[in-house]
Amino acid sequence: NAGVTQTPKFRILKIGQSMTLQCTQDMNHNYMYWYRQDPGMGLKLIYYSVGAGITDKGEVPNGYNVSRSTTEDFPLRLELAAPSQTSVYFCASSEGSGANVLTFGAGSRLTVL
Amino acid sequence: QKEVEQDPGPLSVPEGAIVSLNCTYSNSAFQYFMWYRQYSRKGPELLMYTYSSGNKEDGRFTAQVDKSSKYISLFIRDSQPSDSATYLCAPQRTGFQKLVFGTGTRLLVSP
Repeated sequence: NAGVTQTPKFRILKIGQSMTLQCTQDMNHNYMYWYRQDPGMGLKLIYYSVGAGITDKGEVPNGYNVSRSTTEDFPLRLELAAPSQTSVYFCASSEGSGANVLTFGAGSRLTVL
Repeated sequence: QKEVEQDPGPLSVPEGAIVSLNCTYSNSAFQYFMWYRQYSRKGPELLMYTYSSGNKEDGRFTAQVDKSSKYISLFIRDSQPSDSATYLCAPQRTGFQKLVFGTGTRLLVSP
């Protein structure tokens, strides 16, 4: 059971480039999330999805886009990368009921130079 | 006012010490109180959670919630070097998808 898988693990981008962070889960969870984590700042919610075809903004959505065409996949798109997007990105999934326990991926470390 | 406040640390203790990690929150609608543990360069993983007020014990770990003062605590007994990690509190409301996390407290347990 792989859980939540993120790719790539590391990436360096130049300012203005675009890229997609991939996230897939094999637990048949309805809910999926993208967080970013900056040193001393905790986890900030970027976007989330409650099911295929449904997405919504979190606290810090500017500069990002998401889609959810299947239950398993929830890619995060960065358009026109900026140094402020240098961060560690975590994808997570959950069943969404009761105590909403999140299962996180291992993270994707992005540097924008 | 932030919804969740947590001292970022680091908190350094010797092996065997009792550790107290704390959070305060502002939203009285929170009902579940989660603690996640995050090792360096890894994703967070659920450690334990409580529902409403009271205590919950799991081995060396005890989670405590005081809803009257909006205060959440995690106690670690007989701390071990393997407990060195960042601990994030995450209170949540039932059915509310925008989950919030504290900044996390970094704990260092020295042998």
